[in-house]
Amino acid sequence: NAGVTQTPKFRILKIGQSMTLQCTQDMNHNYMYWYRQDPGMGLKLIYYSVGAGITDKGEVPNGYNVSRSTTEDFPLRLELAAPSQTSVYFCASSGDRVSNQPQHFGDGTRLSIL
Amino acid sequence: QKEVEQDPGPLSVPEGAIVSLNCTYSNSAFQYFMWYRQYSRKGPELLMYTYSSGNKEDGRFTAQVDKSSKYISLFIRDSQPSDSATYLCALDVNNAGNMLTFGGGTRLMVKP
Repeated sequence: NAGVTQTPKFRILKIGQSMTLQCTQDMNHNYMYWYRQDPGMGLKLIYYSVGAGITDKGEVPNGYNVSRSTTEDFPLRLELAAPSQTSVYFCASSGDRVSNQPQHFGDGTRLSIL
Repeated sequence: QKEVEQDPGPLSVPEGAIVSLNCTYSNSAFQYFMWYRQYSRKGPELLMYTYSSGNKEDGRFTAQVDKSSKYISLFIRDSQPSDSATYLCALDVNNAGNMLTFGGGTRLMVKP
């Protein structure tokens, strides 16, 4: 079982470049999430989606965009990379309410902006 | 004030010790409480969740919620080197099941 797959695992970007972080899940989950994790700061929710065609902002959405055209895929787009976006990015999915359904996480994308 | 506070550690214990990990939170409206475990260079995985106050046990792990003190705990009995990881507490922000707020995590090291 693949679960949640994130690509790429590592990436170095220059300031001002753009890129898309890919996330796909094979569990037919409706809910999907993007987080960023900075050292010692826990996980901060960037965007989430409760189903195909529906997305909403989390705690730290500025500088990012998402789309959800299918149940399986939830890409995260950085349009103008800034050093403050250097972080580890995690995608997650869950079948229903996150409080009684576990969120399944990918292994992250480590992104450095130089 | 952060919504969820957690001592970053690291916490170093000998194998077989009882471990206590704790979080405090500020919003008394939180109802759902979770503990996630994160190994190095991996995504978090759910260990336990509890609803409202009380205790919940699962094998060597016990989660405890004290809503009057806004304090949640995770106890690990007979700790093993394989328990070495970062432990994150998480709370359901609006009790709607679609948004969690996480503590910063406590790094635990269990030495053989």
